[in-house]
Amino acid sequence: NAGVTQTPKFQVLKTGQSMTLQCAQDMNHEYMSWYRQDPGMGLRLIHYSVGAGITDQGEVPNGYNVSRSTTEDFPLRLLSAAPSQTSVYFCASSYSRLAGTPINEQFFGPGTRLTVL
Amino acid sequence: DAKTTQPTSMDCAEGRAANLPCNHSTISGNEYVYWYRQIHSQGPQYIIHGLKNNETNEMASLIITEDRKSSTLILPHATLRDTAVYYCIGRNRDDKIIFGKGTRLHILP
Repeated sequence: NAGVTQTPKFQVLKTGQSMTLQCAQDMNHEYMSWYRQDPGMGLRLIHYSVGAGITDQGEVPNGYNVSRSTTEDFPLRLLSAAPSQTSVYFCASSYSRLAGTPINEQFFGPGTRLTVL
Repeated sequence: DAKTTQPTSMDCAEGRAANLPCNHSTISGNEYVYWYRQIHSQGPQYIIHGLKNNETNEMASLIITEDRKSSTLILPHATLRDTAVYYCIGRNRDDKIIFGKGTRLHILP
């Protein structure tokens, strides 16, 4: 298994540009989530999904859109990038409570380092 | 939300046991406590989880108080490779998994 993969690893955008951060997992996990991590800070939850077709907001959803059309993929879209979105973005996946699995560790991807000028 | 409180940073001598505390007084009865760590700028790595009883695996031990309001992660023989930020989190009923700022553990040679 490749686990959780994220592309690209690095990205530089100009203010106002749009882009999509890709996240995929091959573990058949229902639960997927996106976090951002600013320098010296902990992880903050952006959006999450408990299964295909279901998404919900986390702590800091503004400026980001997500969709979950398949179990494997959970892309994060920045519609109009702002310098405040400069951060490292982590995608994670795990089994979901809805699947009846109470024990579920999250597996994290390697991160995407985004700079918005 | 199952909010957690951890010290900002801790030091531990190499070879000694590192004991990292976490307060989770708002955790509900059926929520597990999870511990993760993040080494440098990598993605967080799962360490251990528990509900009521003490737990041990190849990486660490987890001691949960009887009232479940706090727990302690124990790294029995800390090495320099254990230098990382350690996060204690709870998983809420709505599956919103919130990380705090964690504890930055420095292992001193």
